[in-house]
Amino acid sequence: DAEITQSPRHKITETGRQVTLACHQTWNHNNMFWYRQDLGHGLRLIHYSYGVQDTNKGEVSDGYSVSRSNTEDLPLTLESAASSQTSVYFCASSESRGLAGYTQYFGPGTRLTVL
Amino acid sequence: DQQVKQNSPSLSVQEGRISILNCDYTNSMFDYFLWYKKYPAEGPTFLISISSIKDKNEDGRFTVFLNKSAKHLSLHIVPSQPGDSAVYFCAASDDGGATNKLIFGTGTLLAVQP
Repeated sequence: DAEITQSPRHKITETGRQVTLACHQTWNHNNMFWYRQDLGHGLRLIHYSYGVQDTNKGEVSDGYSVSRSNTEDLPLTLESAASSQTSVYFCASSESRGLAGYTQYFGPGTRLTVL
Repeated sequence: DQQVKQNSPSLSVQEGRISILNCDYTNSMFDYFLWYKKYPAEGPTFLISISSIKDKNEDGRFTVFLNKSAKHLSLHIVPSQPGDSAVYFCAASDDGGATNKLIFGTGTLLAVQP
């Protein structure tokens, strides 16, 4: 069965370190998204991609970067981790643009703690 | 500025009764709305959606109502079951599918009591 996976599921790091969260999907979806979930804010969009070599900034992109070298993967990098980036991170994918693209399939999440 | 608001952080309902989850929005350009359901330690899963050209969409026990004049969206679950206990997020978009970017509300925790 097709799926979307994230690794690691839990990560503790120190302020100033570079951290990369992995996202891998086997749906063969063109669209991929990264969100963070925080109490009082719901899910907020960090970065998104519509295909290989395409990346776009979302609502809360400062301090984060992504790269899309193939269809299956969209790793999220925190260049220099800050305590404000302690959060739960979700990766999602969707089939294409248009209405079908609104049905996003989410991974299980990565809980990141920055000390 | 929260464009999609879920003003009730939590809701408790008895099994078999109706659950009504509410969502208000401020952007009159929103043209597509969705509800996602999230269990602890899992990612959200798509539940039901509605286009702004409709005022109701039904899927089994789940019905979404849209009142554009009031900028209000609601999800009805009838009858409620203990397995429905989860966090429910409403989400909206304003670009007709051009970007598929979604703006999410803060979520409502539904507890269905047996």
